[in-house]
Amino acid sequence: TQLLEQSPQFLSIQEGENLTVYCNSSSVFSSLQWYRQEPGEGPVLLVTVVTGGEVKKLKRLTFQFGDARKDSSLHITAAQPGDTGLYLCAGERSNDYKLSFGAGTTVTVRA
Amino acid sequence: EPEVTQTPSHQVTQMGQEVILRCVPISNHLYFYWYRQILGQKVEFLVSFYNNEISEKSEIFDDQFSVERPDGSNFTLKIRSTKLEDSAMYFCASSGSYNEQFFGPGTRLTVL
Repeated sequence: TQLLEQSPQFLSIQEGENLTVYCNSSSVFSSLQWYRQEPGEGPVLLVTVVTGGEVKKLKRLTFQFGDARKDSSLHITAAQPGDTGLYLCAGERSNDYKLSFGAGTTVTVRA
Repeated sequence: EPEVTQTPSHQVTQMGQEVILRCVPISNHLYFYWYRQILGQKVEFLVSFYNNEISEKSEIFDDQFSVERPDGSNFTLKIRSTKLEDSAMYFCASSGSYNEQFFGPGTRLTVL
């Protein structure tokens, strides 16, 4: 059983379109992080959310943490080919000394 | 900007051999982690380390694995007798708090 479920697994859109990636769980997290990973490289931290209902913006990326701290979403506005990559969510539960990762969403933005 | 570094970038070894993967965490961080990612699969937690002892370890981290912080800068993962199924990318991460973990570029371990 996956602790964090990401959907969709793959997403292919045209440049200029918007997209949303979802990260869901039945567990409550004290914090949730979004990473981007290129092939053969380590995950690069994009954002950390810690408060239920929190919304953070990073240029064209908007991250939201659910009120109950069980889910999160990543929304990209006006996607560009440079947004192409693997997006990972990872959560840390209270009293855990580790991150549990989702399986990732592969985003392809076509020019 | 400070970053986590790892060496080597690629390690090829024979089954049964010992390997040591090395990491230099971000200098003022206190929490250190190892994760692995088998090709095509998700990132999996191995072990966390704080104050010179293991804080938590996964089922994967059996007696063949050990971690050490031999000096003030390095953090190592040793696999005593490698198996074919140990082939994976191994990532070191560090954090200054529980909330944000920064990952290194990884070591690709290939066991033949």
